[in-house]
Amino acid sequence: DVKVTQSSRYLVKRTGEKVFLECVQDMDHENMFWYRQDPGLGLRLIYFSYDVKMKEKGDIPEGYSVSREKKERFSLILESASTNQTSMYLCASSLPGQGLLSGANVLTFGAGSRLTVL
Amino acid sequence: QKEVEQDPGPLSVPEGAIVSLNCTYSNSAFQYFMWYRQYSRKGPELLMYTYSSGNKEDGRFTAQVDKSSKYISLFIRDSQPSDSATYLCAMSLMDGTDKLIFGTGTRLQVFP
Repeated sequence: DVKVTQSSRYLVKRTGEKVFLECVQDMDHENMFWYRQDPGLGLRLIYFSYDVKMKEKGDIPEGYSVSREKKERFSLILESASTNQTSMYLCASSLPGQGLLSGANVLTFGAGSRLTVL
Repeated sequence: QKEVEQDPGPLSVPEGAIVSLNCTYSNSAFQYFMWYRQYSRKGPELLMYTYSSGNKEDGRFTAQVDKSSKYISLFIRDSQPSDSATYLCAMSLMDGTDKLIFGTGTRLQVFP
């Protein structure tokens, strides 16, 4: 029944390391998103993608990059991890369309990846 | 000022109580309003959504939107311990991007 899978639930990395967070969805959704969730700040959009090899910056893209080589997989990359990137990272996917009335615009989230950068 | 404001709580109520969760927003262009529920160590899941103003009821849950006041609410009747979770409001411009703006979430604890 699992629809959006984030491969790593808990990671601990050191400052300066390169970090890959993987997300796979099995619902054939075109849209995929990466959010980070922090206490008092809620969910903030990092990057999103509407199609294979396509990406767009969200509200807080600095320090992150993404890759979408296949429709079902959307990877978040921290080129050089820093302590302020310690957070819960949530991947989501959705169908495009005319909005909720058509069944679109409903984000299905993964369980999250909690990253600690020391 | 944040686009969406939500009281973080925590809100602690006895089983059976009526719970009211609220969000205010500043962008009058928002068209879709959603409530997501997030259990501990899980990702958020869509609970309810409404389009424009009005009420929507689903079992013990009622979502209300007042666009003139830029205020949305989620009411939970006969609250249960299983309702204990963080509730996030979310809004969308419906500009074809599927981008959602989330509130910070309200943590709810329903005790037996």
